[in-house]
This record gives sequence, C-alpha cells and structure tokens, in this order.
Amino acid sequence: NAGVTQTPKFRILKIGQSMTLQCTQDMNHNYMYWYRQDPGMGLKLIYYSVGAGITDKGEVPNGYNVSRSTTEDFPLRLELAAPSQTSVYFCASRSWSGSWETQYFGPGTRLLVL
Amino acid sequence: AQKITQTQPGMFVQEKEAVTLDCTYDTSDQSYGLFWYKQPSSGEMIFLIYQGSYDEQNATEGRYSLNFQKARKSANLVISASQLGDSAMYFCAMREPTNAGGTSYGKLTFGQGTILTVHP
Repeated sequence: NAGVTQTPKFRILKIGQSMTLQCTQDMNHNYMYWYRQDPGMGLKLIYYSVGAGITDKGEVPNGYNVSRSTTEDFPLRLELAAPSQTSVYFCASRSWSGSWETQYFGPGTRLLVL
Repeated sequence: AQKITQTQPGMFVQEKEAVTLDCTYDTSDQSYGLFWYKQPSSGEMIFLIYQGSYDEQNATEGRYSLNFQKARKSANLVISASQLGDSAMYFCAMREPTNAGGTSYGKLTFGQGTILTVHP
C-alpha cells in the first residue's frame, strides 16, 4: 500500500500561471480532502469529495477547482496563480470503522508563486 | 462554527519526562471527533490518536494518551517518556459533527499547533 501520494513535491509558478496538483490513494476510500497550510499555521480545508463525481467547497475554495472522476484520484486545479496561494498543499483520505477514524495524509506539495 | 484553540505556541520537555499539550474546542454539537497529528520538520502529517465524543474512556496509543474532558471542552495530548524524536509541531483537530442521519463528511478544523522541543 502506497497510501496517499502527491505530485509534484515542489513547484514554482509565476503569477497568472495555472497547474494541477495530483493526488492518488490506493486504499479505496470514498472520502478525500485537500488542505492548505500557510507558514506557522494549521491546515485549512479547500475542497472535499465523498465519492467519484461528488465534490464540495471547504473553508477556503476561492482560486481552486477539483474533480473526482475515479475513487483513486482527486486532482486540485489552480487557475491564475496568485502570491496568496503560496502554501503547502496536503491531500488526505478518510478511513473509519465503528468508534475509530483517521485521515491519512499525503506528503504534501510545496508551492511558491512569484 | 467550530473552533480549535491551542494556547501553547511552544513547549519544552526533558527527555524521558511526560508532557501535556493543551487543546480546547468550541462546538454546540454532541457528536464529533477529536484528533492529534504530529508534523516533524520533514513536513508530513502523522496521525497519533482519535477520540470520539461519545467515548467514555480516554483514548490511548502507545506513549500517547488523550485526556478528554467533555464538560470543559478540552482534549489534551499527553506524551509519556518523551524521546528526542518527539520534537515536532503537534496539531489538534476536530471533525465536524455527525448529522441527524448519523453521518459526517469528515471535514477537519485544525488548531494553530504547538511546537514541542525535547531536550536531552
């Protein structure tokens, strides 16, 4: 099991450019999430998905788009990159059973917008 | 709206001693979940422990235990016998409440984190 994988690990974008952050999980989880972490801060939810074809906005969705065509993949699209989107982006998937649950996080993508 | 507060920006502990990291939360709901994650300097998010709001016993996972005081709305993490490798940022998080149908989308709200430094 690779768990949750993310690519790329690091990227520099110029203002106005666009890119897609890739996220894949091999645990057959229906619930997946995108968070961003600004320096010295906790994580904030950008978008989430409860299954293929179903996505919804989180706390900070502006400037981002997502799609979920398969259970495994949950890409995050940045259109017209801005310096405020400089952050570390984490993808996660949820597992729960009875009275226990967790979210497994990918290693993160560090994005710098100049 | 949910809110998580971690009031200790930084904590120091001597190796082999125990340390408590504070977390308080604010919600008017009865069904929710509480998590602790560790983020070492390498940046990954490592799950440590989970406590459901209806669980009467405090959760434990090896050297980690969660001191859950529902009336006080606190969910402090206790690390026993600290090790040098415990030096990291620690985040408390709360899962959104379960809805009337008994399900939750699992969205997490995170605190600002506490940097723990373990001294030899």
